[in-house]
Amino acid sequence: DAGVTQSPTHLIKTRGQQVTLRCSPKSGHDTVSWYQQALGQGPQFIFQYYEEEERQRGNFPDRFSGHQFPNYSSELNVNALLLGDSALYLCASSYERNQPQHFGDGTRLSIL
Amino acid sequence: QKEVEQNSGPLSVPEGAIASLNCTYSDRGSQSFFWYRQYSGKSPELIMSIYSNGDKEDGRFTAQLNKASQYVSLLIRDSQPSDSATYLCAVLNSGYALNFGKGTSLLVTP
Repeated sequence: DAGVTQSPTHLIKTRGQQVTLRCSPKSGHDTVSWYQQALGQGPQFIFQYYEEEERQRGNFPDRFSGHQFPNYSSELNVNALLLGDSALYLCASSYERNQPQHFGDGTRLSIL
Repeated sequence: QKEVEQNSGPLSVPEGAIASLNCTYSDRGSQSFFWYRQYSGKSPELIMSIYSNGDKEDGRFTAQLNKASQYVSLLIRDSQPSDSATYLCAVLNSGYALNFGKGTSLLVTP
């Protein structure tokens, strides 16, 4: 039973560029959430997708956008990258609201 | 701002001892509570979930919830060096987002 898979594992970009991160949820899960984790901090909620719609959004600018596909996989897009966007980006999937969210291995994004 | 607070540590315990990790939260409407373990350079791994007041045991781990006092704790019995990691407390408030504390670093010394 495959868990949550994310790609790529690592990514290096320069300021002003755009990036797309991808996530496939755990089998049986229909909800995907994205989190940003800076070094030494807990994960911060970016947004959650359910039934191909953004269901809730955290305190992140519009440069952060996402999409969910009919097979429940999801993408996170970040435009106009800033140095402060350097972080570990985590995808988590779940089935029902109160059930635990399971995390993928993350994508480590470095902005030069 | 709905906050989740944890002591950042490091918490150092000898091998075989009980490690006690604590977490407080500000939103009285919180319904679901989770503990994640995160090894350095890795992603968070779910170890416990708890939804009602009292204790929940799973192997060497016990989660305790007290909604009246707004705290959650995690006890690790017979601590092993492999338990050395950062433990993240996460709270599901009224929406769908997990609200995390900054984590407590645990070091189990042989």
